[in-house]
Amino acid sequence: EIVLTQSPGTLSLSPGERATLSCRASQSVTSSHLAWYQQKPGQAPRLLIYTASSRSTGVPDRFSGSGSGTDFTLTISRLEPEDFAVYYCQQYGNSLWTFGQGTKVEIK
Amino acid sequence: EVQLVESGGGLVQPGGSLRLSCAASGFNFGNYWMTWVRQAPGKGLEWVASVEENGGEKFYVDSVKGRFTISRDNAKNSLFLQMNSLRAEDTAVYYCAGGIFRPRWEYWGQGALVTVSS
Repeated sequence: EIVLTQSPGTLSLSPGERATLSCRASQSVTSSHLAWYQQKPGQAPRLLIYTASSRSTGVPDRFSGSGSGTDFTLTISRLEPEDFAVYYCQQYGNSLWTFGQGTKVEIK
Repeated sequence: EVQLVESGGGLVQPGGSLRLSCAASGFNFGNYWMTWVRQAPGKGLEWVASVEENGGEKFYVDSVKGRFTISRDNAKNSLFLQMNSLRAEDTAVYYCAGGIFRPRWEYWGQGALVTVSS
């Protein structure tokens, strides 16, 4: 089973700042099998990024994904008030799906 | 408009059973991988089970193997999760999710709360 470790656990930033979230895998992940989700309190997760770097329908271009192998990054170029949420990376491999433990982006 | 609506959640005693349902609309259900993902109170997301488009292949996280069964009825645009021998650690919000491709899910329901407690 591939374990995903996200860092930091919490990111305290102000609106307008840049957010950089990390997702590290315990073994190599196929880039086409790496996704990022956003979850706000009381809501279902929302697919943001798939295949490591492709934005899902309707996702603003301030969100970008990058990386390969065992290291992946979600970047939010300029934080808007609605971006404060929890973000999860997720991978698929060998008929198993796993999530990272999440990074909370909170208002500083 | 795409909708996934879960039902069947509730309070059940340890060792009991519960069946979750997910009604899909607004997309071609029979072409989508369908999945259950759960979230324990205050915790992160955990993949539970997935089923391929025609219901043939099914996959489970180790902690529910032999206790949970995922199934689907494409004629009724519905997904199910039969949960037996429930434990306190199964307490969570269970989300129904769907993806056109196996690795990811673009459609999500709002979740059904399952509480296992005596």
